[in-house]
Amino acid sequence: ETGVTQTPRHLVMGMTNKKSLKCEQHLGHNAMYWYKQSAKKPLELMFVYSLEERVENNSVPSRFSPECPNSSHLFLHLHTLQPEDSALYLCASSQDPGYHEKLFFGSGTQLSVL
Amino acid sequence: AQTVTQSQPEMSVQEAETVTLSCTYDTSESDYYLFWYKQPPSRQMILVIRQEAYKQQNATENRFSVNFQKAAKSFSLKISDSQLGDAAMYFCAYRASSARQLTFGSGTQLTVLP
Repeated sequence: ETGVTQTPRHLVMGMTNKKSLKCEQHLGHNAMYWYKQSAKKPLELMFVYSLEERVENNSVPSRFSPECPNSSHLFLHLHTLQPEDSALYLCASSQDPGYHEKLFFGSGTQLSVL
Repeated sequence: AQTVTQSQPEMSVQEAETVTLSCTYDTSESDYYLFWYKQPPSRQMILVIRQEAYKQQNATENRFSVNFQKAAKSFSLKISDSQLGDAAMYFCAYRASSARQLTFGSGTQLTVLP
């Protein structure tokens, strides 16, 4: 088992819905990440949290709102999304928050926006 | 800006044969790290192999090895004795030693034929 679990595995939502993605890591790591994976495109880093503080936000639209209540949990709140936001959203964690080395990934949430 | 290019969107290999996946990158840095990640159908990304640019010796991990050509900015992955479980999407990634973020390529989908 990966040590990083994501729920739900699949999500279909309308553009006016509000939903949340959840990530939990059981590895005792200090950093957690949200990545977006679109078909045939490189992975895009969205957010980085180190010890529950957001340390990076890669120009992500405000319709994506992260939350890190503690070092083991990470959420991505979604509202008024667009069809182009349909993608696989991957959560990851690492021991070292300073450098994105040796990332441990979850299995992702496949999001479809209708 | 650094870019990572994987020119082969799809590859296939016969079981027990050897396959090489290509990756090139563009950087003005002299000190950096290169990675190959595997994403099987479970969607969980797994670190396969890591190479430090200052090391001339190519990294190996069991059946996985790299051909690192620093002057050519090439970092290919060789999989020997391919197994059905090797079927996955493979991502090449780069990180400058002075940076924190990874830059990913767009991936190569590997099919292993029985």
